[in-house]
Amino acid sequence: DQQVKQNSPSLSVQEGRISILNCDYTNSMFDYFLWYKKYPAEGPTFLISISSIKDKNEDGRFTVFLNKSAKHLSLHIVPSQPGDSAVYFCAASGGTYKYIFGTGTRLKVLA
Amino acid sequence: DVKVTQSSRYLVKRTGEKVFLECVQDMDHENMFWYRQDPGLGLRLIYFSYDVKMKEKGDIPEGYSVSREKKERFSLILESASTNQTSMYLCASRIIGEQFFGPGTRLTVL
Repeated sequence: DQQVKQNSPSLSVQEGRISILNCDYTNSMFDYFLWYKKYPAEGPTFLISISSIKDKNEDGRFTVFLNKSAKHLSLHIVPSQPGDSAVYFCAASGGTYKYIFGTGTRLKVLA
Repeated sequence: DVKVTQSSRYLVKRTGEKVFLECVQDMDHENMFWYRQDPGLGLRLIYFSYDVKMKEKGDIPEGYSVSREKKERFSLILESASTNQTSMYLCASRIIGEQFFGPGTRLTVL
């Protein structure tokens, strides 16, 4: 049972445009959400997070939106750059040590 | 800067061998984790440890064991490697909030 779902395995976006990566979750006990970026042959690196008491968090070109009623979060990257090409994982936590990760979305930013 | 290191980047082992994957973190984090990453399956938690000598099973612990004798070191053990354990193995540590990942070990079991 996949509690955190990323339904788009891949996404291609033109450089300079907006990239929108989506993530859905099923467990209403999740209260902390994160996005990680992963390049090939490297470990994931933390990108941005959001607590369930907020509906938006922004850090430079990256903004995460949380819609609790829809159990949906999204990551917006504006403007997209070729160096953003990577696999993006969303993750969720519900007050325990464990994070549940999604299956990832491969973003390709075309120059 | 938090540093999480893993003993090998690439490893090739034979079926039935005992395999040790080592992970060391330098930030005095209490929580440490082992994941495996497979295409289409994302990151799946194998085991985690919330303190020295303390461990809990994750979602896919079968065929694996772990050891945490010192706070900075968390070892993953494949008692008898099998071909379905060919994967990318990622170690992470955390004190609060985000997890910090090591570079990963690409293990191939022949």
